[in-house]
Amino acid sequence: KNEVEQSPQNLTAQEGEFITINCSYSVGISALHWLQQHPGGGIVSLFMLSSGKKKHGRLIATINIQEKHSSLHITASHPRDSAVYICAVVPPIDDYGGSQGNLIFGKGTKLSVKP
Amino acid sequence: EAGVAQSPRYKIIEKRQSVAFWCNPISGHATLYWYQQILGQGPKLLIQFQNNGVVDDSQLPKDRFSAERLKGVDSTLKIQPAKLEDSAVYLCASSLDFDRGLYEQYFGPGTRLTVT
Repeated sequence: KNEVEQSPQNLTAQEGEFITINCSYSVGISALHWLQQHPGGGIVSLFMLSSGKKKHGRLIATINIQEKHSSLHITASHPRDSAVYICAVVPPIDDYGGSQGNLIFGKGTKLSVKP
Repeated sequence: EAGVAQSPRYKIIEKRQSVAFWCNPISGHATLYWYQQILGQGPKLLIQFQNNGVVDDSQLPKDRFSAERLKGVDSTLKIQPAKLEDSAVYLCASSLDFDRGLYEQYFGPGTRLTVT
């Protein structure tokens, strides 16, 4: 079982729809990233959060530490939101000894928004 | 603020050839990471530097991959000789200072390597 699981793997939506991508993890964490990767390969960090909720424009990220779950929401989706969205967690340093708590990545959710 | 720069953006080589990638992190960032991302998978950490010292290279295939970060700024990642399975996107990222808890990572545009 992967330590970071995302759902769904693929998502197709119509422009304007409200979108939710989920991330569950099984390890202790100090923070969680939501990342966006466009077909060219580059990754953009959307959010890093360790509690509660963050909002930036049409994007909202929430995290529930007790339930080990985070969600990324996109309101009023647009074709330019089409990308792969990746959840990545930062483990506490103690869990991984000398590894310094490197990111553990989910496999990503491929979102396609149709006009 | 300039982001993480990588070059080249794309590279096609034949197996058994050598290749090198370059990364310039965000100015002042002490921690630098190289990731390998095979199509359809999440990124895999190859090596992490703190300034010019290696923190973690446990997943770096040291028989063919090498990386350095002289002077604690720019970094190069080399593959010699390349294999078909090395075809991937190589991502560089940096963070302000992981040792001080400043671990939000900023990613470069990546280098897409195709080995034929």
